[in-house]
Amino acid sequence: DTGVSQDPRHKITKRGQNVTFRCDPISEHNRLYWYRQTLGQGPEFLTYFQNEAQLEKSRLLSDRFSAERPKGSFSTLEIQRTEQGDSAMYLCASSFPRGEYNEQFFGPGTRLTVL
Amino acid sequence: AQSVTQPDIHITVSEGASLELRCNYSYGATPYLFWYVQSPGQGLQLLLKYFSGDTLVQGIKGFEAEFKRSQSSFNLRKPSVHWSDAAEYFCAVGGGSYQKVTFGIGTKLQVIP
Repeated sequence: DTGVSQDPRHKITKRGQNVTFRCDPISEHNRLYWYRQTLGQGPEFLTYFQNEAQLEKSRLLSDRFSAERPKGSFSTLEIQRTEQGDSAMYLCASSFPRGEYNEQFFGPGTRLTVL
Repeated sequence: AQSVTQPDIHITVSEGASLELRCNYSYGATPYLFWYVQSPGQGLQLLLKYFSGDTLVQGIKGFEAEFKRSQSSFNLRKPSVHWSDAAEYFCAVGGGSYQKVTFGIGTKLQVIP
């Protein structure tokens, strides 16, 4: 068990370009979450998957954002036509339901800078 | 809706001094509470968590937190701060239908010699 991994760790792009991030959860975890953290703020929930089904999306997730988890394992988060306001740390977390509450384990994050 | 308030954005303490970081939460049912630490450019590390039982919980790195239902608080404490504790600390509450975590704005801790 190597923990949650995210790739890339850093991404610099120009405004208007598309970017895609990948998250590999802990292997037996069927729940996967994406969060966004902007400078000076705490992480904010973006979206949630249970297996391959996307069950909840935050209002923060505009139509330029799309997330997938095609086989219920890794997930991708794509941002189309990036804007400077998209600059943030994108965090992925995974969990497996055990008992009353399922603790989420966070990855190291992908830091996006939009120039 | 669940929410977390961390009233102190920035705290400075001397090395060796005691520390208390404040956290107040709002949640309609039994809360699941967490403290995370984040060093610059790093991901989130879980310090401790409260699900139920003893209201004083022990965590890693010598941290502890006390759950006080009557005050809706979950303050983080450490008796003697080390320079390596300088980081940003996030209080969080988990719950709801998909058990997403709601974070506070964070408290940045500076440790001076």
